[in-house]
Amino acid sequence: QQQVKQSPQSLIVQKGGISIINCAYENTAFDYFPWYQQFPGKGPALLIAIRPDVSEKKEGRFTISFNKSAKQFSLHIMDSQPGDSATYFCAAAGDDYKLSFGAGTTVTVRA
Amino acid sequence: DGGITQSPKYLFRKEGQNVTLSCEQNLNHDAMYWYRQDPGQGLRLIYYSQIVNDFQKGDIAEGYSVSREKKESFPLTVTSAQKNPTAFYLCASSIPGMNTEAFFGQGTRLTVV
Repeated sequence: QQQVKQSPQSLIVQKGGISIINCAYENTAFDYFPWYQQFPGKGPALLIAIRPDVSEKKEGRFTISFNKSAKQFSLHIMDSQPGDSATYFCAAAGDDYKLSFGAGTTVTVRA
Repeated sequence: DGGITQSPKYLFRKEGQNVTLSCEQNLNHDAMYWYRQDPGQGLRLIYYSQIVNDFQKGDIAEGYSVSREKKESFPLTVTSAQKNPTAFYLCASSIPGMNTEAFFGQGTRLTVV
């Protein structure tokens, strides 16, 4: 049973558009929420992460929005570029340090 | 360069055989992890180790075994008891503690033939 539910499974966006990926969790003990980016045939790499004491974190074109009361968080990719085409995973961890991953979202940016 | 090295990149196994996947890191991280990746299911934790000579089962440990004799190495054996071993296997390491980044290797794709 997946502890972190991620949607959509895939999305297509035009170059310059906004990509939005949503995640939801149930375990209130989670207090670390990273996003990983994975290119085909490669291992995932940390993109951006947030703690629940802030509602938003921005790094360049990537923004995490966090809603603690709804137990939801999302990734926004602004001004999407073809190089952003990848699979994105949300994850969550509590004080056992183990990451629970969502199922992943494949993002395709069309030029 | 510091990082995690997984070998081999591709591995073929006959049914009924055990096979061992290698994972080595030179990041001086105490914690190491093995994940299995299947299409549409994300990454699922197989085993993890917070310190040398100690490891714990993850969510899908059945049919797998590990050892942690050295800080740098965390090999995974896929045994014949694993009913559906064909998958992409990822090794990761981190500094134990909350809110720390996990660094992943390039993965090993295992195919049962």
